[in-house]
Amino acid sequence: GAVVSQHPSWVICKSGTSVKIECRSLDFQATTMFWYRQFPKQSLMLMATSNEGSKATYEQGVEKDKFLINHASLTLSTLTVTSAHPEDSSFYICSARDREERGGIETQYFGPGTRLLVL
Amino acid sequence: GQNIDQPTEMTATEGAIVQINCTYQTSGFNGLFWYQQHAGEAPTFLSYNVLDGLEEKGRFSSFLSRSKGYSYLLLKELQMKDSASYLCAVRGYNQGGKLIFGQGTELSVKP
Repeated sequence: GAVVSQHPSWVICKSGTSVKIECRSLDFQATTMFWYRQFPKQSLMLMATSNEGSKATYEQGVEKDKFLINHASLTLSTLTVTSAHPEDSSFYICSARDREERGGIETQYFGPGTRLLVL
Repeated sequence: GQNIDQPTEMTATEGAIVQINCTYQTSGFNGLFWYQQHAGEAPTFLSYNVLDGLEEKGRFSSFLSRSKGYSYLLLKELQMKDSASYLCAVRGYNQGGKLIFGQGTELSVKP
């Protein structure tokens, strides 16, 4: 089946630093990748939709200058949390949509998530 | 706007059947998904409905009524490993495959 990886799986950083999270589709090409954030005991909140070769589309209330998204190739998207603060501590999950829709109805394949803790 | 409602938590007994409901209001509809998520892990796909009716897949079934904006996930022969959060998600129309998730239902299966 389709596999999506994320790196790192967890990261601890100091307040004010920037953190980059990578999302890769390992065995398929993804025209679209999605970035979600999930706080404890809450559901996934879509942050942005990332399309290869174009600017990301951010959901309302998500600061595009703080959460920089780059989708440079059909298998890689990155999320950079700039000047991270403790309130940015969360579980960040990406998903990828198969370009050829081989999965049929299952349009999104989720990565394992990245846990970010900002001290 | 879009609104998806699920019960926050449910408890059931091992071997029993449980039904998790989801109601939604969206500006466009192009499918409803159910995902299972264990604590600290990414969601895994369970089922998909786009037409009215019941979709059965082993111990899991999902039902959809588009006119009522209503779906349910039915879990049979519950096992302890089914303890997890169950997320209902709706896909809009012409939105590039974007999914909007409900808040999730935390299911606890007890012996």
